[in-house]
Amino acid sequence: NAGVTQTPKFRVLKTGQSMTLLCAQDMNHEYMYWYRQDPGMGLRLIHYSVGEGTTAKGEVPDGYNVSRLKKQNFLLGLESAAPSQTSVYFCASSYSLGGSGANVLTFGAGSRLTVL
Amino acid sequence: GIQVEQSPPDLILQEGANSTLRCNFSDSVNNLQWFHQNPWGQLINLFYIPSGTKQNGRLSATTVATERYSLLYISSSQTTDSGVYFCAVKKGSTLGRLYFGRGTQLTVWP
Repeated sequence: NAGVTQTPKFRVLKTGQSMTLLCAQDMNHEYMYWYRQDPGMGLRLIHYSVGEGTTAKGEVPDGYNVSRLKKQNFLLGLESAAPSQTSVYFCASSYSLGGSGANVLTFGAGSRLTVL
Repeated sequence: GIQVEQSPPDLILQEGANSTLRCNFSDSVNNLQWFHQNPWGQLINLFYIPSGTKQNGRLSATTVATERYSLLYISSSQTTDSGVYFCAVKKGSTLGRLYFGRGTQLTVWP
């Protein structure tokens, strides 16, 4: 049982290049999330998904796209990378506790992206 | 969105000391979680505690939802407790959207 797996762990891009980060979870969780973490800023939600085929914007969605074609996978795409997207990206997944929408998060190990 | 403020921003302790970390939030919430990010970057869920008190070994947490704050207590701290502690909250109306504070950086010296 691997939990939440992110690939790649490290990537260096040039401005304007595109790339996709892959998140895979094997816990049959309904909800999946992409966060970015910048120094002194905590974690900020980019996009999230409440089920297969659905996605929604978070706090900082500009410059990113996502897709959830399969329940276990959540992809984060950068179509034209910018230096401001240099960050550590975390994927998370969650289940709900009862009917309260509790969403207890399990995180992946992170992906460090540098845009030159 | 909801504002989440954590204090103190930095905390340095000697091994064996006790500490209290605070999380204040600006609106009513139905979900509050505490996380520990170790020095290697891994984020681990410590508590799901929208109200009341929970304990797990040397760690305990209390949330007073009506007064919009939560406290994380670390007793007899160890060097392995070092890292960043985050509080995250969710309003009932925002499906799936957890808002994080900026964290408390804890350093425990031997």
